Amino acid sequence: TQLLEQSPQFLSIQEGENLTVYCNSSSVFSSLQWYRQEPGEGPVLLVTVVTGGEVKKLKRLTFQFGDARKDSSLHITAAQPGDTGLYLCAGEGKSTFGDGTTLTVKP
Amino acid sequence: DSGVTQTPKHLITATGQRVTLRCSPRSGDLSVYWYQQSLDQGLQFLIQYYNGEERAKGNILERFSAQQFPDLHSELNLSSLELGDSALYFCASSVDAAGELFFGEGSRLTVL
Repeated sequence: TQLLEQSPQFLSIQEGENLTVYCNSSSVFSSLQWYRQEPGEGPVLLVTVVTGGEVKKLKRLTFQFGDARKDSSLHITAAQPGDTGLYLCAGEGKSTFGDGTTLTVKP
Repeated sequence: DSGVTQTPKHLITATGQRVTLRCSPRSGDLSVYWYQQSLDQGLQFLIQYYNGEERAKGNILERFSAQQFPDLHSELNLSSLELGDSALYFCASSVDAAGELFFGEGSRLTVL
C-alpha cells in the first residue's frame, strides 16, 4: 500500500511570510498531484509533477518533485490570506491522498 | 463550478438508518470516484467506476455500496449507519483514469 505523509499538519503564518509544506513517501510514484481545498468546497487541482527533479511554478507557488520521485514540496512566497486552505498531495491513480496541511494566513 | 453535482449537500440522520448520496459527473466524463473525508483529514478513496463498471475499490466498508448508471450518474449507498460514518463524502469525475480529477462540493453526512 502506498502512503503519503504530509507535514506540517497545521501551519499558521502572517501575510507576507514564506512557507514550505512537504509530501513524503517510501514508495516511488510516477506522478504526484497537489490540490487546494477551501472550506465548504471540493479540492481543486493545482499541479501535476511527473519527472524526478522537476520544478513547476504557478505564480507565487513553486512545486518540486524529488529526484527519486518519492517526495514533493510546495513553497509559497509572500503568502496571502487567499492562500488559506487545506493542501493535499496525491499519487497517480487517484486513490492515494495525504492527510493534508491546513494553512492559515493571517492578514 | 467544477461541473460535478452532488446531492444532498447536507444530511442528518440517525444510527442504523440508510442514506443514498447522488453524483452527476461533468459532461463527457466517464470515470466517477467516491471519497470520504473526516474532520480535518485527507481523502480516503472508497471506489471508482468507469462507464458503468467498477474499476477500483479502496477501504470501502461492506455496509457501503455504489453503482454507476447508464447515464453515468452514480449513487453511494450507506447503510446501518454508525456515528463514525459522519463525514464529508466527495464525488469526483474525470474523462478517463489519467485525466484531471474534478470534485463536487461534497455531501456532509451527520449521524446522530
